[in-house]
Amino acid sequence: DIQMTQSPSSLSASVGDRVTITCRASQTISSYLNWYQQKPGKAPKLLIYGASSLQSGVPSRFSGSGSGTDFILTISSLQPEDFATYYCQQSYSVPFTFGGGTKVEIK
Amino acid sequence: QVQLRESGPGLVKPSQTLSLTCTVSGGSISSGSYSWSWIRQPAGKGLEWIGRIYTSGSTSYNPSLKSRVTISVDTSKNLFSLKLSSVTAADTAVYYCAREGYSSGWQLDCWGQGTLVTVSS
Repeated sequence: DIQMTQSPSSLSASVGDRVTITCRASQTISSYLNWYQQKPGKAPKLLIYGASSLQSGVPSRFSGSGSGTDFILTISSLQPEDFATYYCQQSYSVPFTFGGGTKVEIK
Repeated sequence: QVQLRESGPGLVKPSQTLSLTCTVSGGSISSGSYSWSWIRQPAGKGLEWIGRIYTSGSTSYNPSLKSRVTISVDTSKNLFSLKLSSVTAADTAVYYCAREGYSSGWQLDCWGQGTLVTVSS
């Protein structure tokens, strides 16, 4: 299985901050990388697919970059509704494994 | 707007079989190039991809669960199902069904609300 490692596991930030979350794959996965946002008690929501494509309806302050083994999710200006846990997922090979998550908390 | 909803027992005894159904509404399960997946999440933990099925019936499973998992589809009823046998407390989790679309790779683009399954005697 491909292991996905996210860092940090949690962070504290203020509204308006620029936030970056890193995801590293244990082997190359080309650009087959997705990002999801999950709020407490809710199902995950797709934000970014194919490493950098923004899912329809997702605000443009979210962006993704990277290829190969190293990927970044960036929130350009953190909004109150962005406090949540973020997961990366590889879709290069089955099983489609997830990272351990990054919890974004209010500073 | 496609919607998914999980249903099934919230409590399963150890060694028994967990059975869940995901009903798809707002669109045909057979339309488009989608696969249909199950994912689970133990309380306070991360996400685990269980497996998926195409409407052709072709399946892919997580090797860690493969010996215990069966995913099936009923296109006439617009639903797909999960069976997990010989459950233990470690199988206690929120179980999600989701649609997998393909655009620059596979992605879970539509999720059910999730259903909590507890394994306990």
